Amino acid sequence: QQQVRQSPQSLTVWEGETAILNCSYEDSTFNYFPWYQQFPGEGPALLISIRSVSDKKEDGRFTIFFNKREKKLSLHITDSQPGDSATYFCAASTGYQNFYFGKGTSLTVIP
Amino acid sequence: EAAVTQSPRSKVAVTGGKVTLSCHQTNNHDYMYWYRQDTGHGLRLIHYSYVADSTEKGDIPDGYKASRPSQENFSLILELASLSQTAVYFCASSEGNNNQAPLFGEGTRLSVL
Repeated sequence: QQQVRQSPQSLTVWEGETAILNCSYEDSTFNYFPWYQQFPGEGPALLISIRSVSDKKEDGRFTIFFNKREKKLSLHITDSQPGDSATYFCAASTGYQNFYFGKGTSLTVIP
Repeated sequence: EAAVTQSPRSKVAVTGGKVTLSCHQTNNHDYMYWYRQDTGHGLRLIHYSYVADSTEKGDIPDGYKASRPSQENFSLILELASLSQTAVYFCASSEGNNNQAPLFGEGTRLSVL
């Protein structure tokens, strides 16, 4: 059973637009949600994270919106840049150190 | 600078052979993990460890063993490599408290022929 789902599988936006990446989860005990950014040939890099006590987390152009009732999150990338082109992974944890990852969203930003 | 270093970065192995992937971290983290990445599957946890000389099974441990001889080092061992184990393997470490997200190494690309 897929614990964490991401959509869309791939997304293309123009430079300057806002990219919206979605994530949903099954287990209501998940309470910590990091997002990772991965470039080809590299390991995933922690981008931004949120805890279930919050409904929003912002870091520069990156914002997570969290809806606990619906078990959904979204990552908004404002003013998208070509350098943001990468695969983004949503992960979830119950706090017992097993992090479940979604299958990722491949983002392409066209100049 | 604290880091997670994996070796080798790539490897070609023969079916039925033994493969050892190594990981070294300088983050002073208690937890270490081995994940497998396949196209279309995201990252899946193979084994993890929260203290030296002890390892735990993750979600897909079959066909893999792990070894944690020290806080800094964590190895993944494929005793009898199979074609289905062709993948990219990532090591990660975390503090292990208050939901600290794992920090990843650069990965090892393994091809089993």
